[in-house]
Amino acid sequence: GQNIDQPTEMTATEGAIVQINCTYQTSGFNGLFWYQQHAGEAPTFLSYNVLDGLEEKGRFSSFLSRSKGYSYLLLKELQMKDSASYLCAVLDSNYQLIWGAGTKLIIKP
Amino acid sequence: TAGITQAPTSQILAAGRSMTLRCTQDMRHNAMYWYRQDLGLGLRLIHYSNTAGTTGKGEVPDGYSVSRANTDDFPLTLASAVPSQTSVYFCASSRTGSGTDTQYFGPGTRLTVL
Repeated sequence: GQNIDQPTEMTATEGAIVQINCTYQTSGFNGLFWYQQHAGEAPTFLSYNVLDGLEEKGRFSSFLSRSKGYSYLLLKELQMKDSASYLCAVLDSNYQLIWGAGTKLIIKP
Repeated sequence: TAGITQAPTSQILAAGRSMTLRCTQDMRHNAMYWYRQDLGLGLRLIHYSNTAGTTGKGEVPDGYSVSRANTDDFPLTLASAVPSQTSVYFCASSRTGSGTDTQYFGPGTRLTVL
């Protein structure tokens, strides 16, 4: 079967760095997405990785290792507004998105 | 631009009743999607449409139907609601149905079936 694993919840301190991991077992791979979802709101796009390596976008970076079936989202200089759920989604061999359940990130002052 | 809108924002529905959730986008995107989001589970695809006039079944299509008469609108109908359809429903769109394009989500409809 297809599976996406993320931690259910993480807590971090304002100003710090946090890494949210995502491991996947899917039938094929055509890319991995990260989305951010604030409570009660719609998911919004953060990043898309299809090649191995790190992609940096301001305070957010996303890393992919296809051989390990692993990705992480790195958030630097955490702000209170970063409190949200972070959703990992993998595009499988049929170009269907398989979504993880999301990681709820709590930022404390 | 409004992007993608959904109506209603929330609804309480008696079991056995029918309901249509509306979704409209103004980005001229070819592909549209309906998802449900339940606590502890990832987004699950109900139905999708890669272009006007075509639709396809997702992971959990039973009990739901869709139509795509034009580019902008993609309504989701529950013919006879059951309590297990209590969920938050998100409509999304993307430029193409290739899968690699960013999906843009509407604000969601919170549906409770009693």
